[in-house]
Amino acid sequence: GNSVTQMEGPVTLSEEAFLTINCTYTATGYPSLFWYVQYPGEGLQLLLKATKADDKGSNKGFEATYRKETTSFHLEKGSVQVSDSAVYFCALRRYSTLTFGKGTMLLVSP
Amino acid sequence: DADVTQTPRNRITKTGKRIMLECSQTKGHDRMYWYRQDPGLGLRLIYYSFDVKDINKGEISDGYSVSRQAQAKFSLSLESAIPNQTALYFCATSDRGLAGGPRENEQFFGPGTRLTVL
Repeated sequence: GNSVTQMEGPVTLSEEAFLTINCTYTATGYPSLFWYVQYPGEGLQLLLKATKADDKGSNKGFEATYRKETTSFHLEKGSVQVSDSAVYFCALRRYSTLTFGKGTMLLVSP
Repeated sequence: DADVTQTPRNRITKTGKRIMLECSQTKGHDRMYWYRQDPGLGLRLIYYSFDVKDINKGEISDGYSVSRQAQAKFSLSLESAIPNQTALYFCATSDRGLAGGPRENEQFFGPGTRLTVL
C-alpha cells in the first residue's frame, strides 16, 4: 500500500538557519506529493505540492522537488524564522485520497 | 468567517456515550473527509464522501459512522465512545479539480475538535 516516511522531530534550529525535513514515499504509479503545515491550535494548510517527477513546489521560501528515482520529496528553506515553528506533514495522493506521514515538529528559536 | 467549521471544538465524554461531531463548509466543495490525529501517528483517514450519496471507509473506520446530510454538511458519530478514541478530529474538504490542475485535490481543513473519552 501507500506510505510516507518523515524524519522524526523535533527539529530545533536557530533563526536564519537552513532547514531540511526529509520525506520518502512508497506508492504504486505516479502519486502527487504535498507538504502541509499545522500551526499551534490550527488545522492543516497546504504549503506546497508537486504533481509529477522533477517538479519543484515552492511557497513562502520553502521548496521541495519531486525525485522519482529516490522516491523523495524533501522540504527545504534557506533561512527559517521563528514564525515557521509548526508541525510539517508530507503527504501523497493516489486515487483521490491523501496518505500522510507522521509529521515533523519544527522549533525555531530567536 | 471560516470556510470549514467544526462543532464542538472541545468535548469531554464518558465511555459508552454516543457522540456526534459536525462539520460544515461554505466552499461549495463536493468532497469531504474525516481524519483523526494522534501524537506520533500523523493523520489517519476515517471516512470520506465524494458527494451526497457517496460514503467510503478510510483506513480506520471501525467504531465510527458518518452521515452526509447535504453537500455542505458531514457528521461523524461515535456510537459508543471508548478511551482509545481520544484524539484530535479534523474535517477537510476538496473539490474535484482537474487532474494536474492548480487546485487538484487540495484539501482545506477545519480547526479541529479535541475529543476526550474518560
